[in-house]
Amino acid sequence: AQRVTQPEKLLSVFKGAPVELKCNYSYSGSPELFWYVQYSRQRLQLLLRHISRESIKGFTADLNKGETSFHLKKPFAQEEDSAMYYCALATSYDKVIFGPGTSLSVIP
Amino acid sequence: EAQVTQNPRYLITVTGKKLTVTCSQNMNHEYMSWYRQDPGLGLRQIYYSMNVEVTDKGDVPEGYKVSRKEKRNFPLILESPSPNQTSLYFCASSLSLFYEQYFGPGTRLTVT
Repeated sequence: AQRVTQPEKLLSVFKGAPVELKCNYSYSGSPELFWYVQYSRQRLQLLLRHISRESIKGFTADLNKGETSFHLKKPFAQEEDSAMYYCALATSYDKVIFGPGTSLSVIP
Repeated sequence: EAQVTQNPRYLITVTGKKLTVTCSQNMNHEYMSWYRQDPGLGLRQIYYSMNVEVTDKGDVPEGYKVSRKEKRNFPLILESPSPNQTSLYFCASSLSLFYEQYFGPGTRLTVT
């Protein structure tokens, strides 16, 4: 069965510290993975897609097919990074599966 | 402005009273989807549509209906709402399944 897991519900880091939000997936096909972010009182919005390999707001994510992971990283966390982060998987069955989300809090 | 709109934004209703939440997009997107967001569960897909007149069940379709008669609209229908459908609902659209999804502002539904 297709599944996305994000093991941390809550993650707190100090400003300027590195941050890594974990995402693991279970899918037998070729995965299309995304990270979405939801800032307080705002709509969900795309942060990055693995296929584009862009760095958005200093965040990067590398697809590791061997470990079936797509962890989100940023070398120096900023206060404005505090938000809810969702990892998502688009499957060849036309469905999109979201993980449960990780709430990131950056401490000044 | 390119956007996805949902109405109403907030709705309190009683068990069994039929309701419809509208969703509209102005980006000529083919793929549209409904999600519900519950604490600790993230977003779960209710229904999706690949194109006009093509809809299919997501992971949690029970108790919901949808229709896609026009490309821009994708209403979510609850024929007989129950308290376990109290949730935050999001509509989203994208060019296709593998492109960025654009989300609506959300509809907070309470069923008493």
